[in-house]
Amino acid sequence: AQKVTQAQTEISVVEKEDVTLDCVYETRDTTYYLFWYKQPPSGELVFLIRRNSFDEQNEISGRYSWNFQKSTSSFNFTITASQVVDSAVYFCALSDRSRGGKLIFGQGTELSVKP
Amino acid sequence: EAGVAQSPRYKIIEKRQSVAFWCNPISGHATLYWYQQILGQGPKLLIQFQNNGVVDDSQLPKDRFSAERLKGVDSTLKIQPAKLEDSAVYLCASSLDWGLATQNEQFFGPGTRLTVL
Repeated sequence: AQKVTQAQTEISVVEKEDVTLDCVYETRDTTYYLFWYKQPPSGELVFLIRRNSFDEQNEISGRYSWNFQKSTSSFNFTITASQVVDSAVYFCALSDRSRGGKLIFGQGTELSVKP
Repeated sequence: EAGVAQSPRYKIIEKRQSVAFWCNPISGHATLYWYQQILGQGPKLLIQFQNNGVVDDSQLPKDRFSAERLKGVDSTLKIQPAKLEDSAVYLCASSLDWGLATQNEQFFGPGTRLTVL
């Protein structure tokens, strides 16, 4: 069965600190996609990144970076030099290609960045 | 480009009443999803449409929930009768076409926050 685990329920950091959000997934599919979404207090889910199972290259986008390791079934997300605007709930998700591409979400990690 | 639109944004009803939510996806998106997000949890799929056909409704409580996408564009989700445990945010999302070789990202609307008293 597909499953996504985000073990960190809440993280609190001080502005400018680096922070890593962990994501571990389970799937029997050989082809799959992983996603990260941000949910600010307004409630709307904002797409951050998509990664397919054949591409293990790490990706950097500004202060955001992602580390995908198939050997450990992990897809971790790091924010460098965090800012107050980064405060939100972050969700990791796995696509279930066998069932219409629905997203299976983790429980989410609530990040609080204090000034 | 306009995003996914949902209405209403908030709804408060008493248990056993009925309620309906509306979603307008991004223009040209063939696939539409309804997710339920209970407080403190990640969203969970209720139903998925491809144009006006149902792809997956395995987790939709069909005794009380129904959804339609008659013309393959707008969609409505209805709950009748509502229970206390239906209190949640109902999120609508759309994507280009789930059948494509590449999994496209899903774009989410602002959600409807339902409170059942």
